[in-house]
Amino acid sequence: AQSVTQPDIHITVSEGASLELRCNYSYGATPYLFWYVQSPGQGLQLLLKYFSGDTLVQGIKGFEAEFKRSQSSFNLRKPSVHWSDAAEYFCAVGAGGKLVFGAGTILRVKS
Amino acid sequence: GAGVSQTPSNKVTEKGKYVELRCDPISGHTALYWYRQSLGQGPEFLIYFQGTGAADDSGLPNDRFFAVRPEGSVSTLKIQRTERGDSAMYLCASSSQPGDSGELFFGEGSRLTVL
Repeated sequence: AQSVTQPDIHITVSEGASLELRCNYSYGATPYLFWYVQSPGQGLQLLLKYFSGDTLVQGIKGFEAEFKRSQSSFNLRKPSVHWSDAAEYFCAVGAGGKLVFGAGTILRVKS
Repeated sequence: GAGVSQTPSNKVTEKGKYVELRCDPISGHTALYWYRQSLGQGPEFLIYFQGTGAADDSGLPNDRFFAVRPEGSVSTLKIQRTERGDSAMYLCASSSQPGDSGELFFGEGSRLTVL
Protein backbone atom coordinates (compact mmCIF):
# COMPACT_ATOMS: atom_id res chain seq x y z
CA ALA A 1 0.00 0.00 0.00
CA GLN A 2 1.10 3.52 -0.66
CA SER A 3 2.02 5.63 2.34
CA VAL A 4 3.90 8.79 3.22
CA THR A 5 5.61 9.54 6.51
CA GLN A 6 6.58 13.00 7.62
CA PRO A 7 8.41 12.36 10.89
CA ASP A 8 8.37 15.94 12.13
CA ILE A 9 5.02 17.40 13.19
CA HIS A 10 6.51 20.79 14.01
CA ILE A 11 9.79 22.45 13.07
CA THR A 12 10.99 25.85 14.20
CA VAL A 13 13.83 27.62 12.41
CA SER A 14 15.29 31.10 12.61
CA GLU A 15 14.78 33.44 9.72
CA GLY A 16 17.72 33.14 7.38
CA ALA A 17 18.60 29.64 8.52
CA SER A 18 18.49 26.61 6.27
CA LEU A 19 15.58 24.20 6.27
CA GLU A 20 15.09 20.52 5.60
CA LEU A 21 11.73 18.81 5.90
CA ARG A 22 11.79 15.04 5.80
CA CYS A 23 9.56 12.76 3.79
CA ASN A 24 9.66 8.99 3.44
CA TYR A 25 7.33 7.09 1.17
CA SER A 26 6.21 3.59 0.36
CA TYR A 27 5.06 2.97 -3.18
CA GLY A 28 4.80 -0.12 -5.35
CA ALA A 29 6.29 1.32 -8.50
CA THR A 30 8.26 4.33 -9.65
CA PRO A 31 6.79 7.07 -7.54
CA TYR A 32 5.47 10.41 -8.55
CA LEU A 33 6.33 12.71 -5.66
CA PHE A 34 5.06 16.12 -4.69
CA TRP A 35 5.46 18.80 -2.06
CA TYR A 36 2.54 21.11 -1.31
CA VAL A 37 2.31 24.09 1.04
CA GLN A 38 -0.81 25.17 2.88
CA SER A 39 -1.05 28.61 4.43
CA PRO A 40 -3.92 29.60 6.73
CA GLY A 41 -7.01 30.51 4.72
CA GLN A 42 -5.44 29.40 1.46
CA GLY A 43 -5.63 26.30 -0.64
CA LEU A 44 -2.82 23.83 -1.06
CA GLN A 45 -0.20 25.10 -3.48
CA LEU A 46 2.22 22.90 -5.39
CA LEU A 47 5.86 23.68 -4.58
CA LEU A 48 7.51 21.06 -6.77
CA LYS A 49 7.14 17.60 -8.22
CA TYR A 50 9.30 14.70 -9.30
CA PHE A 51 8.35 12.29 -12.05
CA SER A 52 11.65 11.11 -13.52
CA GLY A 53 15.08 12.29 -14.57
CA ASP A 54 17.27 14.51 -12.45
CA THR A 55 16.78 13.56 -8.82
CA LEU A 56 17.24 17.14 -7.62
CA VAL A 57 14.20 19.18 -8.52
CA GLN A 58 13.74 22.89 -8.21
CA GLY A 59 10.46 24.45 -7.22
CA ILE A 60 8.88 27.77 -6.55
CA LYS A 61 9.82 30.16 -3.74
CA GLY A 62 13.42 28.91 -3.68
CA PHE A 63 12.57 25.36 -2.57
CA GLU A 64 14.23 22.22 -3.85
CA ALA A 65 13.87 18.53 -3.12
CA GLU A 66 16.02 15.49 -3.70
CA PHE A 67 14.68 12.07 -4.59
CA LYS A 68 16.71 9.24 -3.07
CA ARG A 69 15.39 5.88 -4.19
CA SER A 70 17.71 3.90 -1.91
CA GLN A 71 16.31 5.70 1.12
CA SER A 72 12.74 6.05 -0.14
CA SER A 73 13.02 9.71 0.68
CA PHE A 74 12.06 13.00 -0.92
CA ASN A 75 13.24 15.70 1.47
CA LEU A 76 12.43 19.36 0.94
CA ARG A 77 15.13 21.98 1.42
CA LYS A 78 15.59 25.71 1.35
CA PRO A 79 18.94 27.42 1.97
CA SER A 80 17.55 30.52 3.68
CA VAL A 81 14.09 30.65 5.25
CA HIS A 82 11.93 33.78 5.16
CA TRP A 83 9.23 34.63 7.68
CA SER A 84 6.65 34.22 4.91
CA ASP A 85 7.57 30.53 4.62
CA ALA A 86 5.73 29.78 7.87
CA ALA A 87 3.00 27.34 6.84
CA GLU A 88 2.18 23.64 6.79
CA TYR A 89 4.00 21.47 4.28
CA PHE A 90 2.71 18.22 2.86
CA CYS A 91 4.59 15.54 1.00
CA ALA A 92 2.51 13.37 -1.33
CA VAL A 93 2.95 10.34 -3.56
CA GLY A 94 0.73 9.02 -6.26
CA ALA A 95 -0.40 9.23 -9.83
CA GLY A 96 -3.25 10.52 -11.91
CA GLY A 97 -4.27 13.05 -9.32
CA LYS A 98 -4.99 10.33 -6.76
CA LEU A 99 -2.47 11.33 -4.16
CA VAL A 100 -1.58 9.95 -0.76
CA PHE A 101 -0.50 12.73 1.56
CA GLY A 102 1.62 12.70 4.67
CA ALA A 103 0.26 14.19 7.89
CA GLY A 104 2.17 17.42 7.30
CA THR A 105 4.91 19.41 8.99
CA ILE A 106 4.13 22.79 10.50
CA LEU A 107 6.97 25.22 9.97
CA ARG A 108 7.43 28.09 12.39
CA VAL A 109 9.91 30.84 11.62
CA LYS A 110 11.34 32.90 14.44
CA SER A 111 12.89 36.29 13.90
CA GLY B 1 -12.99 32.80 -11.70
CA ALA B 2 -9.25 32.59 -11.56
CA GLY B 3 -9.06 29.72 -9.12
CA VAL B 4 -11.06 26.81 -7.74
CA SER B 5 -14.04 28.12 -5.82
CA GLN B 6 -15.73 26.18 -3.02
CA THR B 7 -18.94 27.04 -1.23
CA PRO B 8 -19.85 27.30 1.52
CA SER B 9 -16.55 28.06 3.21
CA ASN B 10 -18.06 26.95 6.51
CA LYS B 11 -21.03 24.72 7.22
CA VAL B 12 -22.35 23.77 10.64
CA THR B 13 -25.06 21.15 10.73
CA GLU B 14 -26.67 18.74 13.12
CA LYS B 15 -26.14 15.02 13.20
CA GLY B 16 -28.46 13.27 10.79
CA LYS B 17 -28.89 16.21 8.41
CA TYR B 18 -28.12 16.30 4.70
CA VAL B 19 -25.31 18.50 3.38
CA GLU B 20 -24.20 19.64 -0.05
CA LEU B 21 -20.78 21.12 -0.78
CA ARG B 22 -20.12 22.81 -4.10
CA CYS B 23 -16.97 23.08 -6.17
CA ASP B 24 -16.48 25.34 -9.18
CA PRO B 25 -13.22 24.32 -10.92
CA ILE B 26 -10.92 26.45 -13.01
CA SER B 27 -12.56 27.07 -16.36
CA GLY B 28 -11.57 24.46 -18.91
CA HIS B 29 -10.21 21.96 -16.40
CA THR B 30 -11.62 18.55 -17.25
CA ALA B 31 -10.40 16.67 -14.19
CA LEU B 32 -11.90 17.35 -10.77
CA TYR B 33 -11.02 15.79 -7.41
CA TRP B 34 -12.48 15.76 -3.93
CA TYR B 35 -10.33 15.25 -0.86
CA ARG B 36 -11.13 15.27 2.84
CA GLN B 37 -8.75 16.64 5.45
CA SER B 38 -9.34 15.86 9.10
CA LEU B 39 -7.73 17.91 11.83
CA GLY B 40 -4.01 17.21 12.08
CA GLN B 41 -3.99 14.98 9.02
CA GLY B 42 -3.12 15.30 5.37
CA PRO B 43 -5.82 15.31 2.72
CA GLU B 44 -7.36 11.94 1.82
CA PHE B 45 -8.62 11.17 -1.66
CA LEU B 46 -12.37 10.72 -2.05
CA ILE B 47 -13.32 10.78 -5.73
CA TYR B 48 -12.06 11.82 -9.16
CA PHE B 49 -14.11 13.01 -12.14
CA GLN B 50 -12.98 13.08 -15.71
CA GLY B 51 -15.62 15.12 -17.48
CA THR B 52 -19.04 14.15 -16.20
CA GLY B 53 -18.19 10.67 -15.05
CA ALA B 54 -16.63 9.47 -11.82
CA ALA B 55 -13.43 7.79 -12.96
CA ASP B 56 -12.46 6.65 -9.47
CA ASP B 57 -14.67 6.78 -6.38
CA SER B 58 -12.66 4.34 -4.32
CA GLY B 59 -12.03 6.88 -1.56
CA LEU B 60 -15.66 7.51 -0.66
CA PRO B 61 -15.96 6.16 2.88
CA ASN B 62 -19.48 4.72 2.60
CA ASP B 63 -22.75 5.05 0.74
CA ARG B 64 -23.75 8.18 2.63
CA PHE B 65 -21.28 10.06 0.44
CA PHE B 66 -22.08 10.81 -3.18
CA ALA B 67 -20.76 13.29 -5.72
CA VAL B 68 -21.98 14.48 -9.09
CA ARG B 69 -20.69 16.60 -11.93
CA PRO B 70 -23.62 16.65 -14.37
CA GLU B 71 -22.27 19.09 -16.94
CA GLY B 72 -18.56 18.42 -16.56
CA SER B 73 -17.87 21.63 -14.70
CA VAL B 74 -19.34 22.32 -11.25
CA SER B 75 -19.38 19.39 -8.85
CA THR B 76 -21.42 18.79 -5.72
CA LEU B 77 -20.41 16.51 -2.88
CA LYS B 78 -23.46 15.22 -1.05
CA ILE B 79 -23.44 13.74 2.42
CA GLN B 80 -26.55 12.07 3.79
CA ARG B 81 -27.35 11.42 7.47
CA THR B 82 -24.27 13.28 8.61
CA GLU B 83 -22.30 11.95 11.55
CA ARG B 84 -19.93 13.73 13.91
CA GLY B 85 -17.05 11.85 12.30
CA ASP B 86 -17.79 13.58 9.00
CA SER B 87 -16.51 16.84 10.48
CA ALA B 88 -13.51 17.85 8.37
CA MET B 89 -12.26 20.21 5.70
CA TYR B 90 -13.45 19.11 2.28
CA LEU B 91 -11.07 20.13 -0.48
CA CYS B 92 -11.72 20.28 -4.18
CA ALA B 93 -9.02 20.38 -6.85
CA SER B 94 -9.00 20.57 -10.60
CA SER B 95 -6.50 19.84 -13.32
CA SER B 96 -6.21 20.55 -17.01
CA GLN B 97 -4.28 17.37 -17.62
CA PRO B 98 -5.68 14.21 -16.13
CA GLY B 99 -2.94 11.82 -15.38
CA ASP B 100 0.44 11.89 -13.80
CA SER B 101 1.72 15.18 -15.13
CA GLY B 102 -1.30 17.22 -14.21
CA GLU B 103 -0.79 19.73 -11.44
CA LEU B 104 -3.71 19.86 -9.02
CA PHE B 105 -5.07 23.31 -8.21
CA PHE B 106 -6.84 23.27 -4.86
CA GLY B 107 -9.63 25.45 -3.57
CA GLU B 108 -9.67 26.87 -0.06
CA GLY B 109 -12.00 24.17 1.14
CA SER B 110 -15.35 23.84 2.85
CA ARG B 111 -15.12 23.27 6.57
CA LEU B 112 -17.93 20.99 7.76
CA THR B 113 -18.81 20.74 11.42
CA VAL B 114 -21.39 18.20 12.52
CA LEU B 115 -22.78 18.81 15.99
